[in-house]
Amino acid sequence: GESVGLHLPTLSVQEGDNSIINCAYSNSASDYFIWYKQESGKGPQFIIDIRSNMDKRQGQRVTVLLNKTVKHLSLQIAATQPGDSAVYFCAVYRGNNDMRFGAGTRLTVKP
Amino acid sequence: GAGVSQSPRYKVAKRGQDVALRCDPISGHVSLFWYQQALGQGPEFLTYFQNEAQLDKSGLPSDRFFAERPEGSVSTLKIQRTQQEDSAVYLCASSFVTSGSLYEQYFGPGTRLTVT
Repeated sequence: GESVGLHLPTLSVQEGDNSIINCAYSNSASDYFIWYKQESGKGPQFIIDIRSNMDKRQGQRVTVLLNKTVKHLSLQIAATQPGDSAVYFCAVYRGNNDMRFGAGTRLTVKP
Repeated sequence: GAGVSQSPRYKVAKRGQDVALRCDPISGHVSLFWYQQALGQGPEFLTYFQNEAQLDKSGLPSDRFFAERPEGSVSTLKIQRTQQEDSAVYLCASSFVTSGSLYEQYFGPGTRLTVT
């Protein structure tokens, strides 16, 4: 079956540093890979997605890298800010309404 | 504009009670999803509606769980005879997409259900 996991449950970085959050997945038959951000008391918020035929995509201060060979996904946040503190989930989307979330990594930004 | 809203935000129920959780999606969003999020875990899919049609209910954990969206807008998730293992945050999400990139979902703040 599908499993979507993250390498670390928590990550602490200094304000201004870059953050890297990793995710491993098991099923290769995924159309899209997505990162969501969830702040305390709120629902997940879409950050960025990458299609399975790409290996890199950049957004505003964020970059997602996809390595299909080792089934690994990462989210890089440049110049991390206190407002970036949240739980980050990777998710795989396999078409129709089939989306599976990982367990999440809690990012803490120290001032 | 207004986002997805859910009510109540917090619900405490005694074991065996029935509960009803409400979701108001973003106006005009055709697709609506319910997820269950256990503490420290990612959301897990429960059910999916397109307008008033429930197209997928494969994630509902038991026949005690029931969802409806009678007019294709507001949705209610009902849990009968609640058990302690039902304690979780129940998230609702909506999307303007009906096919293709259905992962572009807008989530509500969730209802935290605690069963005592």
